[in-house]
Amino acid sequence: GQNIDQPTEMTATEGAIVQINCTYQTSGFNGLFWYQQHAGEAPTFLSYNVLDGLEEKGRFSSFLSRSKGYSYLLLKELQMKDSASYLCAVWDSNYQLIWGAGTKLIIKP
Amino acid sequence: DAMVIQNPRYQVTQFGKPVTLSCSQTLNHNVMYWYQQKSSQAPKLLFHYYDKDFNNEADTPDNFQSRRPNTSFCFLDIRSPGLGDAAMYLCATSRENGGVWETQYFGPGTRLLVL
Repeated sequence: GQNIDQPTEMTATEGAIVQINCTYQTSGFNGLFWYQQHAGEAPTFLSYNVLDGLEEKGRFSSFLSRSKGYSYLLLKELQMKDSASYLCAVWDSNYQLIWGAGTKLIIKP
Repeated sequence: DAMVIQNPRYQVTQFGKPVTLSCSQTLNHNVMYWYQQKSSQAPKLLFHYYDKDFNNEADTPDNFQSRRPNTSFCFLDIRSPGLGDAAMYLCATSRENGGVWETQYFGPGTRLLVL
């Protein structure tokens, strides 16, 4: 079966750095996405990785290792507005998005 | 601004009373998706349209139907809502061109409450 694992919940302090991990087992791979979802709202696109390595976009970076089936999202200089769920999703061989259940990130002052 | 629009944002219906949720897009994307998302769970794909071709997920209940009258609009019909159908319903769009697929973009969602 297809499976994506990420921690259920994480807590971090305002101004700090947090890394959210994602491991996946899918039928084929055509890229990995990170989405941010605030409570009661729709997911918004953060990043897309299809090749190994680190993609940096402002305070957010995303890393991919295809051989390990592993990705992480790195958030720097955390702000209170970063409190949200972060969903990892993988495009399988048919370009179907396979979703993780999301990691709820709680930011404390 | 190009976007994905969902109406209404909140919908209350009675047990067994048919309800329709709507989605429109100004992105001119050829693929449209409907997802169901319950609290603290991953979005669950119900079906998608590739142009006019309808693709139903194997485990989507018959209670859920969809229509796409044109490129811009897509509707989700729930024929007889049950209490278990209370959820956020997300519409998303994407483009596929010559085997190249692009990122899915989501509308704001419709939260359905079944009384």
